[in-house]
Amino acid sequence: NAGVTQTPKFQVLKTGQSMTLQCAQDMNHEYMSWYRQDPGMGLRLIHYSVGAGITDQGEVPNGYNVSRSTTEDFPLRLLSAAPSQTSVYFCASSYSLGDYGYTFGSGTRLTVV
Amino acid sequence: GEDVEQSLFLSVREGDSSVINCTYTDSSSTYLYWYKQEPGAGLQLLTYIFSNMDMKQDQRLTVLLNKKDKHLSLRIADTQTGDSAIYFCADRHPSGGSQGNLIFGKGTKLSVKP
Repeated sequence: NAGVTQTPKFQVLKTGQSMTLQCAQDMNHEYMSWYRQDPGMGLRLIHYSVGAGITDQGEVPNGYNVSRSTTEDFPLRLLSAAPSQTSVYFCASSYSLGDYGYTFGSGTRLTVV
Repeated sequence: GEDVEQSLFLSVREGDSSVINCTYTDSSSTYLYWYKQEPGAGLQLLTYIFSNMDMKQDQRLTVLLNKKDKHLSLRIADTQTGDSAIYFCADRHPSGGSQGNLIFGKGTKLSVKP
């Protein structure tokens, strides 16, 4: 099925470890973004990309890196995990900058201990 | 900065209408969105409304937009237990480095009692 695929669905990390959250879409969407969802906080934008080779920071970028080498993939890297990064992470994509809504992945639940 | 506000909880009985309210601060908003999140799932786009519209209806869903008061509402007619979820209001970021990105409210948890 066409859509946004995120892997893994669950992950437990130790403080200081690094990891990459994967996001892939097969809808030829130019725009992709990463959000984190915390209880009572709604969704906050981490990083986004308007096309291959172009990325920019969102509201809460510290501790995260992204790259966009292809249209399809937009991985999110945690450089040195901290307990404050315990959250649910969502990847989203859109044909353009969100005019007709975004398609979200099912999320990655990350726990940092 | 720009902000989107929602009440956190709403409880209704099955068969009743649900009305979820949202206020936003950006007077230049072009699109406003409603998303639904079921437990353990991602966000599903329910509907959106363009800023030059006052109302949009889609089956059991009615969206009302009052631009003067910067108030958006989502009405669900004949609410069913399957409508129990968290509903997010979202606004497009108006300007600056994150132009076009969405600003989300904190979400309204709708509980439907049989």
